[in-house]
Amino acid sequence: QVQLVQSGAEVKKPGASVKVSCKASGYTFTSHYMHWVRQAPGQGLEWMGIINPSGGTPKYAQKFQGRVTMTRDTSTSTVYMELSSLRSEDTAVYYCARDPGMIPKREYYFDNWGQGTLVTVSS
Amino acid sequence: QSALTQPASVSGSPGQSTTISCTGTSSDVGGYNYVSWYQQHPGKAPKLMIYEVSNRPSGVSNRFAGSKSGNTASLTISGLQAEDEADYYCSSYTSSSTLDYVFGTGTKVTVL
Repeated sequence: QVQLVQSGAEVKKPGASVKVSCKASGYTFTSHYMHWVRQAPGQGLEWMGIINPSGGTPKYAQKFQGRVTMTRDTSTSTVYMELSSLRSEDTAVYYCARDPGMIPKREYYFDNWGQGTLVTVSS
Repeated sequence: QSALTQPASVSGSPGQSTTISCTGTSSDVGGYNYVSWYQQHPGKAPKLMIYEVSNRPSGVSNRFAGSKSGNTASLTISGLQAEDEADYYCSSYTSSSTLDYVFGTGTKVTVL
C-alpha cells in the first residue's frame, strides 16, 4: 500500500530555514507527482507547489517563490521541501500529498497524504 | 486568488443528511470538473472522499456524494454517523497564474 512518511517536528528561529522530508513507498516513486500543502494552526489548507520525482523544474505557488525549494532523491524515494527566511506566519503543519495520475498526466487531486510535519517558528 | 467559500459549520442528527457547499468562480470550480473533497479529523492528515466532482475512491462509503452546479460544488453526507464528525475541505484546480490549486475555507460537521 502507498505510504508517505514525513520527518519529525521542527522548531526554528525567525530567519532560519527548515527542510522537511517525505519518504514514499508502496508504488513507483518516479511515476507520480508530489505536492506540498500546509496548514497553519486552526486554519485551512494551502497549496505550496508540485514536484516531478522523475526530474524537471518544480512549480511553486507565487506566494512562496524565492523562499521554497522542492527537491527529490530517487535513490531513497524521498522528496524534500525547504522553506527559508522563516517567519512566525510559517508556523504550520506541512504535508506531502501524491497526485494519482501517471506522469506526465496529472489528476488534479491528492489521493495519499503524509502524516504531516509541524514546523514551529519562534524566537 | 481567494480561498473557496464554505460554511463554517453544519450539523445534523444521526441518520439525517447534511450538505456542504463550496463556492468559487469560473476560474476554478465553475471552469473545471476537478473538484475534490477531503475529510480531516483532529490531528490527522486529510483523507480523500470525492474526486472529479462526484467520484468516490474505493473504500469511501456511498453515503458521501458530490455534485456541482455552476460555480458551486456540494458534498452531501447521508445517514450521518458519529464518525462523520470532522472538518471537510473542498479543493479545485484553478487557472490562476499564481497557484495551481485552491482549497475551501473548511466546514466543521457536527453530529448532534
